Amino acid sequence: LAKTTQPISMDSYEGQEVNITCSHNNIATNDYITWYQQFPSQGPRFIIQGYKTKVTNEVASLFIPADRKSSTLSLPRVSLSDTAVYYCLVVPGGAGNNRKLIWGLGTSLAVNP
Amino acid sequence: GAVVSQHPSWVICKSGTSVKIECRSLDFQATTMFWYRQFPKQSLMLMATSNEGSKATYEQGVEKDKFLINHASLTLSTLTVTSAHPEDSSFYICSARVSGHTTETQYFGPGTRLLVL
Repeated sequence: LAKTTQPISMDSYEGQEVNITCSHNNIATNDYITWYQQFPSQGPRFIIQGYKTKVTNEVASLFIPADRKSSTLSLPRVSLSDTAVYYCLVVPGGAGNNRKLIWGLGTSLAVNP
Repeated sequence: GAVVSQHPSWVICKSGTSVKIECRSLDFQATTMFWYRQFPKQSLMLMATSNEGSKATYEQGVEKDKFLINHASLTLSTLTVTSAHPEDSSFYICSARVSGHTTETQYFGPGTRLLVL
């Protein structure tokens, strides 16, 4: 599985847009990019998943350039409750696969008032 | 959709006792579930892959006789920590895999905090 690299920590303020970039230089053709959010003492929560270009849902947007070697999670107008650790993972494509997810340390986002 | 529950949410036990943690997929069936362990300030570490109706697959370094996994139905997997010791104190998280047409997504339970005294 492709290893991912993302900043250890980021700081922001309420109401700002936050962009967290993740590098995955060795991503395979069939791999997808998935982002999770984790609050202290809680299990990770699925945020968004994409393969290429742009994906948007009610929570965030995911931008993936043509070479797919990186991706950017965009959180619009963050609030204090968005303070959490954000993980970028590369997920194998295809159903029925048994490859494991590799979790890094994630990006610890602190939203300040 | 894709809700996963865990029970209990926290447990305190004496050293030497066994603790069972349940993981349920509430609104979908999961042939594959995963068990993770997370220590403070660290990332998730996969312990084992639980497959319905078959034996679990353990990661290297995880003792299968200590961490018993049973996945007897499509909505329930259990992890039993046998003869727990203080070093087993950790945050245990399960996930259930949902396979789509193109890829898969894991949905996680809320986690179980285990403290062994």
